[in-house]
Amino acid sequence: SQTIHQWPATLVQPVGSPLSLECTVEGTSNPNLYWYRQAAGRGLQLLFYSVGIGQISSEVPQNLSASRPQDRQFILSSKKLLLSDSGFYLCAWTPEWGRGGNSPLHFGNGTRLTVT
Amino acid sequence: DQQVKQNSPSLSVQEGRISILNCDYTNSMFDYFLWYKKYPAEGPTFLISISSIKDKNEDGRFTVFLNKSAKHLSLHIVPSQPGDSAVYFCAASALTGANSKLTFGKGITLSVRP
Repeated sequence: SQTIHQWPATLVQPVGSPLSLECTVEGTSNPNLYWYRQAAGRGLQLLFYSVGIGQISSEVPQNLSASRPQDRQFILSSKKLLLSDSGFYLCAWTPEWGRGGNSPLHFGNGTRLTVT
Repeated sequence: DQQVKQNSPSLSVQEGRISILNCDYTNSMFDYFLWYKKYPAEGPTFLISISSIKDKNEDGRFTVFLNKSAKHLSLHIVPSQPGDSAVYFCAASALTGANSKLTFGKGITLSVRP
């Protein structure tokens, strides 16, 4: 069966520090991978998605970047964190052929990031 | 621009009664709708979905209704149980090639009182 791992679960970082959140998927090949953020009082906002190694699409302009160095690894990064980067970050995947209805997103347990 | 709207931030119901969670959307290109359930400190989990070619989909205690003309969908939970207490997200997608890009609402916090 497929599983998704996301770490760390919580993170407190000072403003201006770098960030690296990692997500890995097991049990599937060539998944579509996603980074979402849930800010306080807001819905889930899609930040990045990837359909293959090295292929990254950004949905919103921001202080963050994403990379996919391996088929089942997705990394969210920042060179210098801002206070507004605080939130709950979720990694998700769908099968290669998946779309929203036929194959719902499978989420990891998320990372609670607090920028101080 | 909020394309998927969940205007009520919270709902409280008595155990055994029906919970009705509402969702409105503005994008007429959306053709698939999903509900996700989220517990604190966990990722959302898929609950139920409906295609725009249907107006109802049922799975056990959960039923989703779609009114395309009103651009409105609702999730009915009956009977409601304390374990149903969670945040419920409505989401929608439009066919855009092979990518599943969902647009989520802000969520509704459901509390089921014992």
